[in-house]
Amino acid sequence: GQNIDQPTEMTATEGAIVQINCTYQTSGFNGLFWYQQHAGEAPTFLSYNVLDGLEEKGRFSSFLSRSKGYSYLLLKELQMKDSASYLCAAMDSNYQLIWGAGTKLIIKP
Amino acid sequence: ETGVTQTPRHLVMGMTNKKSLKCEQHLGHNAMYWYKQSAKKPLELMFVYSLEERVENNSVPSRFSPECPNSSHLFLHLHTLQPEDSALYLCASSLTPGGGQGLLMAQDNYGYTFGSGTRLTVV
Repeated sequence: GQNIDQPTEMTATEGAIVQINCTYQTSGFNGLFWYQQHAGEAPTFLSYNVLDGLEEKGRFSSFLSRSKGYSYLLLKELQMKDSASYLCAAMDSNYQLIWGAGTKLIIKP
Repeated sequence: ETGVTQTPRHLVMGMTNKKSLKCEQHLGHNAMYWYKQSAKKPLELMFVYSLEERVENNSVPSRFSPECPNSSHLFLHLHTLQPEDSALYLCASSLTPGGGQGLLMAQDNYGYTFGSGTRLTVV
């Protein structure tokens, strides 16, 4: 079956760095997405990885290892506004997104 | 606003009521989706429309009935719902069904744009 695993909740301190891990098992693979979702709002696109390695975009970076079925989202210089849920999703061979349950990130002052 | 607009934002309905959720996008996308989001669960794909034709129905109960009159509008008609149907219902759109093909990595060609959702409570 197809499956995405990510931690349910994480807590970090303002100004620090946090890494949110995601492992996936899909029928075929056409890329890995990360979305951010604030409470009561739409999920918004953060990153897309289809090749191995690290993609950096400002304070956020995303890493992919296809051989390990593994990705992480790295958030640096955490701000209070980064408190949100982070959704990991893998695209299968039919170009359909398989979603994780999301990681709720709590930022403390 | 993300480019995908959903109404209403909140809806409370009784189990015998009939209501409809509306989704609208003017991004030029060809595919639209209905998702159900329950607390601490993955997004559940309910329906997929590509160029106004339904291409996928993930065994959703018949009390949910989708309608896609054109590529910009999507409805979800609700009737005789159950309390367990209470959830956040999200609409999304993408440029092509599934979000795109090839190695293009731009968000405009790949991935989904979501609406803010309708918070549905069935009493």
